[in-house]
Amino acid sequence: DTAVSQTPKYLVTQMGNDKSIKCEQNLGHDTMYWYKQDSKKFLKIMFSYNNKELIINETVPNRFSPKSPDKAHLNLHINSLELGDSAVYFCASSQGGLGHEQYFGPGTRLTVT
Amino acid sequence: AQTVTQSQPEMSVQEAETVTLSCTYDTSESDYYLFWYKQPPSRQMILVIRQEAYKQQNATENRFSVNFQKAAKSFSLKISDSQLGDAAMYFCAYRSALAGAGSYQLTFGKGTKLSVIP
Repeated sequence: DTAVSQTPKYLVTQMGNDKSIKCEQNLGHDTMYWYKQDSKKFLKIMFSYNNKELIINETVPNRFSPKSPDKAHLNLHINSLELGDSAVYFCASSQGGLGHEQYFGPGTRLTVT
Repeated sequence: AQTVTQSQPEMSVQEAETVTLSCTYDTSESDYYLFWYKQPPSRQMILVIRQEAYKQQNATENRFSVNFQKAAKSFSLKISDSQLGDAAMYFCAYRSALAGAGSYQLTFGKGTKLSVIP
């Protein structure tokens, strides 16, 4: 039983394309996140949603648009992909903020050629 | 803004030995949470251990324990009886305990790559 799942796990695409990464959690959590891990393994928050409302939107290009159709899903849509978008994108979820552990999905490795 | 520093990009340990990974952080807050996450080659992020700043007692999970020094803003991870499966990237992370946006994100250090030598 996968707690936090992401599709696809690997995504190879060309510059200029638009792509989406889907995330689903079956833990009943009310908060979901997107993190980006760059080529040097550095992890940084991109977005956070609580009860389908955007809580955190870090300085991410507006080509990145998260969408939360319900509390169990948080999708990431990326327009006009650039070489610098190549990274591993992790979805995570938790029950609220205030210290509750975040459970991570398996990550999606995005390669832009 | 909070920052987390892991000063050891790579470390190695002999199997069955003990190793300590260092982490320091900078914050003006008095209430927060600290975490160690493990990322094996499979890429999956796995929570190893968690520490609440208001607790003086160091957290322990089986072979994993922390040395939490609040005044020094230090949070090191000790792995005892190291096993081959412990080989991974280890990330130290900070999370605010104050209500607000800061409590909804983890701030990570840059990681320490741990190798275990048979």
